[in-house]
Amino acid sequence: EIVLTQSPGTLSLSPGGRATLSCRASQSVSSNYLAWYQQKPGQAPRLLIYDTSSRATGIPDRFGGSGSGTDFTLTISRLEPEDFAVYYCQQYGRSPMFSFGQGTKLEIK
Amino acid sequence: QVHLVQSGAEVKKPGASVKVSCKASGYSFTNYGITWVRQAPGEGLEWMGWISVYHGNTDYAQKFQGRVTMTTDTSTSTAYMELRSLRSDDTALYYCARHGGDGYYFDYWGQGTLVTVSS
Repeated sequence: EIVLTQSPGTLSLSPGGRATLSCRASQSVSSNYLAWYQQKPGQAPRLLIYDTSSRATGIPDRFGGSGSGTDFTLTISRLEPEDFAVYYCQQYGRSPMFSFGQGTKLEIK
Repeated sequence: QVHLVQSGAEVKKPGASVKVSCKASGYSFTNYGITWVRQAPGEGLEWMGWISVYHGNTDYAQKFQGRVTMTTDTSTSTAYMELRSLRSDDTALYYCARHGGDGYYFDYWGQGTLVTVSS
């Protein structure tokens, strides 16, 4: 079973700063099918990044994804107040067919 | 535009079953898979399984096999998730989500359905 581990658990930054969120897989992710979601309190998750580095429709270019194999990164440059939320990575391909990381909370410092 | 609208909150007793619906609109329902994800209070996202709307085949997370059934009604563009033998730790927000273009991510989500299991 593939396990996704996100770090840090909580990241405290100021608006205007740069956030780097990590997602590490216990086994190589098939064809880099790795996605990132943002979730705000009381809302459903929102797709940000798919296939490691492709931005979803309407996602601003301050959100970027990178990585391969077992190590993936979500970078948010120039943090806006609305970016403070919980972020999840998600993989496809290994049993279970889909799975999520435990999440990283990005909070205002 | 794409919308997934889920049924309302449910309160169930331990041992009962619950069936959550997810009505899709704004796209061709049979062209995309539907996945179900749950989130216990204060916890992260947990993938439960998915259904290929076009083929009707399903794949469930091992944790839920034998207790969950996912179906669709293409005449009403509605997906369903039934969970049986409910326990208190099944209390969670249940989401349906549409699979994205190549099927490996979830691009549109329902608003969530809160299922509370309590005696």
